[in-house]
Amino acid sequence: QVQLVESGGGVVQPGGSLRLSCAASGFRISGSGFHWVRQAPGKGLEWVAFISHDERRQFYGDSVKGRFSISRDISENMANLQMNSLRIEDTALYFCARDWGWGFDPWGQGTLVTVSS
Amino acid sequence: QSALTQPPSASGSPGQSVTISCTGTSSDVGGYNLVSWYQQYPGKAPKFIIYEVTKRPSGVPDRFSGSKSGNTASLTVSGLQADDEADYYCSSYAASDKWVFGGGTKLTVL
Repeated sequence: QVQLVESGGGVVQPGGSLRLSCAASGFRISGSGFHWVRQAPGKGLEWVAFISHDERRQFYGDSVKGRFSISRDISENMANLQMNSLRIEDTALYFCARDWGWGFDPWGQGTLVTVSS
Repeated sequence: QSALTQPPSASGSPGQSVTISCTGTSSDVGGYNLVSWYQQYPGKAPKFIIYEVTKRPSGVPDRFSGSKSGNTASLTVSGLQADDEADYYCSSYAASDKWVFGGGTKLTVL
């Protein structure tokens, strides 16, 4: 069964850092691109970042460019999102998703990031 | 990047059809046949229901269909059922290597 499980969320002060992980099971990530998508409480979905299947391309949303970095760990079958210089407006449930047909499938259950002083 | 425009709400009675629109620009919806749609229940992760404008992933009922005209994509849910009540989001690949989502539509089954 193809599944993604996120971890690493928590409470952090503004300006702090967090590293989110997305563990894949049921398939090898080496042939897949990955996205991170976030959803602020009570709000809609916002695309955050993408890494291509060959890791040659990483793209970011305007609101996180220069602060967030997406990567993969083939040996761990995992995708990661390093988040630096966190802001209050980064507070959200963060989902990872496999790139599929230029869409997102499947999705993990999400990990909550709260940025608060 | 700007969000795609969706109506905040839509509704229909059981058995009826409802169509949800998703309007973008020539830099996203109109420029690429790469629109996808997602169904999200409260407190749950989104579920992939349409990709590349019209294609359905395995397991998605054919009551769900997608289309596009110009800068506007649409999701039609036919034969409405009670468990179709959820939030629906569109997404499109966009110029400059980005993806953009719509603001979401809350579908109510009356």
